[in-house]
Amino acid sequence: GDSVTQMEGPVTLSEEAFLTINCTYTATGYPSLFWYVQYPGEGLQLLLKATKADDKGSNKGFEATYRKETTSFHLEKGSVQVSDSAVYFCALYNGGKLIFGQGTELSVKP
Amino acid sequence: DAGVIQSPRHEVTEMGQEVTLRCKPISGHDYLFWYRQTMMRGLELLIYFNNNVPIDDSGMPEDRFSAKMPNASFSTLKIQPSEPRDSAVYFCASFSWPEAFFGQGTRLTVV
Repeated sequence: GDSVTQMEGPVTLSEEAFLTINCTYTATGYPSLFWYVQYPGEGLQLLLKATKADDKGSNKGFEATYRKETTSFHLEKGSVQVSDSAVYFCALYNGGKLIFGQGTELSVKP
Repeated sequence: DAGVIQSPRHEVTEMGQEVTLRCKPISGHDYLFWYRQTMMRGLELLIYFNNNVPIDDSGMPEDRFSAKMPNASFSTLKIQPSEPRDSAVYFCASFSWPEAFFGQGTRLTVV
């Protein structure tokens, strides 16, 4: 069945460092891909999305490009802030089903 | 709209008791998902509904778990009997393309 695999955390960075969180997927057909973010004590919130190959999703300085050839959707940000500390989830939507990866915890230190 | 509303926010119960978690989705959304979040297993999809009809319950761990959606504005997830390994945060999410909206979750502790 469909699945999403993320790099394991936690990831600890200094403020203004470059961020990459890897995500790969397995799916039949043409899924849509998402990144969600979870702050402590809250539910998940949509961060960005891409609905077809080569699409780039972006929001709040975060970007991810839908790479069908490598079945990947890596999350990047050029300069992280302390306020970006959270858990990040990669997800795919395919045929009505919304499946998430394990989540990657990011901690940004001042 | 107030968003997705889950109740209770916290539930502590004894092993063997029945537990019912509730979810009120966003009006007009046609999909509803139930997830379980643990440190070990991450965010697992338990079951999802489309227009109140259960579509895929293959993620429900055992027969002790059941879910219903009697109408478009209400869903329940029931565990009977509960066990300590059911302790987790349970989320419901209401989906209308292209975004899922999550409730704040129910933290279940079974002692």
